Amino acid sequence: DAGVTQSPTHLIKTRGQHVTLRCSPISGHKSVSWYQQVLGQGPQFIFQYYEKEERGRGNFPDRFSARQFPNYSSELNVNALLLGDSALYLCASSFMGAYTTFFGQGTRLTVV
Amino acid sequence: KNEVEQSPQNLTAQEGEFITINCSYSVGISALHWLQQHPGGGIVSLFMLSSGKKKHGRLIATINIQEKHSSLHITASHPRDSAVYICAVRHNNAGNMLTFGGGTRLMVKP
Repeated sequence: DAGVTQSPTHLIKTRGQHVTLRCSPISGHKSVSWYQQVLGQGPQFIFQYYEKEERGRGNFPDRFSARQFPNYSSELNVNALLLGDSALYLCASSFMGAYTTFFGQGTRLTVV
Repeated sequence: KNEVEQSPQNLTAQEGEFITINCSYSVGISALHWLQQHPGGGIVSLFMLSSGKKKHGRLIATINIQEKHSSLHITASHPRDSAVYICAVRHNNAGNMLTFGGGTRLMVKP
């Protein structure tokens, strides 16, 4: 069974552009969370989705949005990119109510 | 003050040494994770603890709920253990949201 898969793996965008990152959870996992990891720091929580509904949101501006599809895959969208948005974006999936969390390899976003 | 604090931030050891990484947290939790992150970014879950102690190979993780403290031990360290080790806590009543420590960068020299 495939693990959590994210696409693309690397991405370069210019300031002001928009980006969409994608995540496919492990089969059967209904909960997807997104995290931002700036170089040298621990990941920071952005969003959690379960059954297509937002269940949690971290301290990120409205430029960040996400959604979950009926097949439980998810997209993270970031508008009006800033240089400070350069980071590794991690997706994690789990069964809601259970604790084991599995992480994808991440999408490394560079904003120039 | 961060909700999850790790120490040390950086650690260099010689192959074969016993290594301890510490994690302290200030919130009520339902579980604590120890994660390993290699260069390139992928994160692997090593342990999930809610009480006591777990062992997997050369890795041991302990948690003291009353003291809000956890440790990750590596016995007979090896250069392939070189990675960033991250502690993450799941808050009570917070679904699957994790709060992460800043990580401990471990380098094991041959």
